[in-house]
Amino acid sequence: EPEVTQTPSHQVTQMGQEVILRCVPISNHLYFYWYRQILGQKVEFLVSFYNNEISEKSEIFDDQFSVERPDGSNFTLKIRSTKLEDSAMYFCASSKGPGIAGGGYNEQFFGPGTRLTVL
Amino acid sequence: AQSVAQPEDQVNVAEGNPLTVKCTYSVSGNPYLFWYVQYPNRGLQFLLKYITGDNLVKGSYGFEAEFNKSQTSFHLKKPSALVSDSALYFCAGRGSSNTGKLIFGQGTTLQVKP
Repeated sequence: EPEVTQTPSHQVTQMGQEVILRCVPISNHLYFYWYRQILGQKVEFLVSFYNNEISEKSEIFDDQFSVERPDGSNFTLKIRSTKLEDSAMYFCASSKGPGIAGGGYNEQFFGPGTRLTVL
Repeated sequence: AQSVAQPEDQVNVAEGNPLTVKCTYSVSGNPYLFWYVQYPNRGLQFLLKYITGDNLVKGSYGFEAEFNKSQTSFHLKKPSALVSDSALYFCAGRGSSNTGKLIFGQGTTLQVKP
């Protein structure tokens, strides 16, 4: 069964450094997402991406963050100048489609997450 | 503001007994609701969804959920719990947004004891 994969599983970085979190979505999926979960808190939406552009982003997703689909398989989240409060589990997800257009809603498939620790 | 709530941090149930994990929602427009399960060191696994139609939806591993519009609830149920069902369960929802953004509850840990 196809899966979403994420690398690395754990990333430790110093405050102020840049990190890139990588995801390989399921190959025939068209919509891509990043979520994060700070320890003990809810899973929070960061951004959705379709057709090589951001379709929606949350208030959390400020200029510090960027996403990219550099080739046909990878989807990356870049965090510039990391802060202590960026420490969290970051989940990538993908789906065939977001909504009911086309006759059905497509659930999102999640990767195992990257645990980011900012020191 | 849109929200999804899971009022219980933990649910304990004996193996073989029925289980219920509660979820309530507040989303704009027609609600689209989902349940996910997370095992240690694994990603969130999709269990089931409600889009439209029958209020009782069936999903993976014998789980089902009942959509109740008047109570704005979408409780997860299983008639007979297994020890292997022990995990962290997330309810999620979205409203009219066409971008697929999911709003998650805080998660409920299900502990099934032998």
